[in-house]
Amino acid sequence: DQQVKQNSPSLSVQEGRISILNCDYTNSMFDYFLWYKKYPAEGPTFLISISSIKDKNEDGRFTVFLNKSAKHLSLHIVPSQPGDSAVYFCAVEYGNKLVFGAGTILRVKS
Amino acid sequence: EPEVTQTPSHQVTQMGQEVILRCVPISNHLYFYWYRQILGQKVEFLVSFYNNEISEKSEIFDDQFSVERPDGSNFTLKIRSTKLEDSAMYFCASSPAPGPYEQYFGPGTRLTVT
Repeated sequence: DQQVKQNSPSLSVQEGRISILNCDYTNSMFDYFLWYKKYPAEGPTFLISISSIKDKNEDGRFTVFLNKSAKHLSLHIVPSQPGDSAVYFCAVEYGNKLVFGAGTILRVKS
Repeated sequence: EPEVTQTPSHQVTQMGQEVILRCVPISNHLYFYWYRQILGQKVEFLVSFYNNEISEKSEIFDDQFSVERPDGSNFTLKIRSTKLEDSAMYFCASSPAPGPYEQYFGPGTRLTVT
């Protein structure tokens, strides 16, 4: 079951630079996409979402881009801060549930 | 800011025992969920619950699992006879409306079956 894929297990970025986290999905019927951040020993925290009728959604330092033809979305964090170091999960809303990717560990170096 | 709470934070039990994991969803939310994450694996959907009944469940959610909203604030997950492979983090989530909508997660209960 690989409906949502995050192919990069980890990413290391210098403080102040851009972090780009990527996610691919397989089902063209998916129409609502979310990003969650997770610190160790905590639950996933909702960050930002995007509907398939849009190709971009922005909230402060976080921007999500959706490319429906490529079945690809990305999360941009600008500028990256050390507190952004966490696991980032891409998820799709499907039926009445969320389907998660495997996550990408982001390390922001100061 | 309202948040989902879960108790206990860590539960250790012996194989074959029953466990009940408890959650208090955000107060004006109507849709409730359980997910689990086995160490090193993805977060997986278990069950969704609305209006006192299960809306959807995954293949994982077999007859050993049950959910209940015993009162106006709590939402519980019961595992009748735990197995070693039930060891995982269990997350409760809630949302004010059905999809598409973001779900808000609790901090999780770490279940260890020995």
